[in-house]
Amino acid sequence: GQQLNQSPQSMFIQEGEDVSMNCTSSSIFNTWLWYKQDPGEGPVLLIALYKAGELTSNGRLTAQFGITRKDSFLNISASIPSDVGIYFCAGQRSGGYNKLIFGAGTRLAVHP
Amino acid sequence: GAVVSQHPSWVICKSGTSVKIECRSLDFQATTMFWYRQFPKQSLMLMATSNEGSKATYEQGVEKDKFLINHASLTLSTLTVTSAHPEDSSFYICSARERGGSTEAFFGQGTRLTVV
Repeated sequence: GQQLNQSPQSMFIQEGEDVSMNCTSSSIFNTWLWYKQDPGEGPVLLIALYKAGELTSNGRLTAQFGITRKDSFLNISASIPSDVGIYFCAGQRSGGYNKLIFGAGTRLAVHP
Repeated sequence: GAVVSQHPSWVICKSGTSVKIECRSLDFQATTMFWYRQFPKQSLMLMATSNEGSKATYEQGVEKDKFLINHASLTLSTLTVTSAHPEDSSFYICSARERGGSTEAFFGQGTRLTVV
């Protein structure tokens, strides 16, 4: 199925470092969503973005909806061990039941 | 709010048997539910979109006769894997969107299916 281009594929960082990941697409989306998935669990919504240029924060997380509507990034500041997991971006177009198209995921490991 | 519960969390079944997975929205009404499967270290792949009271819409390549979806009420959708084979072993996840709500979809905790 169709996927977004999400990078990086994986990251291994030290506790306290900042993290940045992004998603790009060749086509336009109306909504960008960022999810985190822990092993053996379903994804949990972190941030939802609805307008081009929108910058939204949720605690140490900040995400932006790209001006071109073809990309989005997620930043995590001052990472902590519990940030470990897989982060997925998801884009949504209007119509077709508004189904989500997922990126391949960014696997984050945090070294204490 | 916006809690989606999936049951069972894991199941082991023999080849050739059928398995039913339930997806419930606990504190909201969901006109649309989505079913995904996820293989190890891969992303979520949409299998089908389920709308209350109507037939599910399947993604290309997903066998509708093998993966039966029923969305009989605004809080419950079921996925039945019929005549399961080992290659059907996967992590199945549902999500639900609130009726008249935003575009956000909330996910269940997933069901690990192992076919032996």
